[in-house]
Amino acid sequence: AQKITQTQPGMFVQEKEAVTLDCTYDTSDPSYGLFWYKQPSSGEMIFLIYQGSYDQQNATEGRYSLNFQKARKSANLVISASQLGDSAMYFCAMRGRRTNAGGTSYGKLTFGQGTILTVHP
Amino acid sequence: KAGVTQTPRYLIKTRGQQVTLSCSPISGHRSVSWYQQTPGQGLQFLFEYFSETQRNKGNFPGRFSGRQFSNSRSEMNVSTLELGDSALYLCASSRRDSTEAFFGQGTRLTVV
Repeated sequence: AQKITQTQPGMFVQEKEAVTLDCTYDTSDPSYGLFWYKQPSSGEMIFLIYQGSYDQQNATEGRYSLNFQKARKSANLVISASQLGDSAMYFCAMRGRRTNAGGTSYGKLTFGQGTILTVHP
Repeated sequence: KAGVTQTPRYLIKTRGQQVTLSCSPISGHRSVSWYQQTPGQGLQFLFEYFSETQRNKGNFPGRFSGRQFSNSRSEMNVSTLELGDSALYLCASSRRDSTEAFFGQGTRLTVV
């Protein structure tokens, strides 16, 4: 079973400042992937960043970086230089990864409850 | 490169009716998953299809069903609609050998 916990229902940040959104997880899968998605009011889930459980380095994608601490089972998202357009709901998610004779496959995505980020001018 | 396309975007149905939602994945993606998002339950996995076969199913009643066609397009059907089925239904597509999943804009279903 997999579980994602996002303990911050809402976060506020000043424009141009950095913000960290917390995510902790629990899984019995030995190999897995961790994701962050952004969901604006329009509803679309926008993929932001991915971290594999065996990746040695923390993932970065432009202004987004993932602070992955495997021993603590945490995968926090850091957004640098916040912009007004960053205001949205942010979801942390994970999926298990399985490799067998048929190749590699991935399980369902399990999501946290989300954090609403508001960027103030 | 076209993204994931879900139709319709908005839908209003009456209790007891049935509804069919459509999802066209990104070209070359053969895996399609469906998720239900509600304010109370958050995002919940419905089912996943790969090469026209259901590979995984979430904990939803049998009123929820789906299928995938040979061109990887997928449909989701909900029969005997209940008020609690009102939700945003999201579809995600991915390549079998890729961990990334890309979502469509969703179909917002309202049951009255």
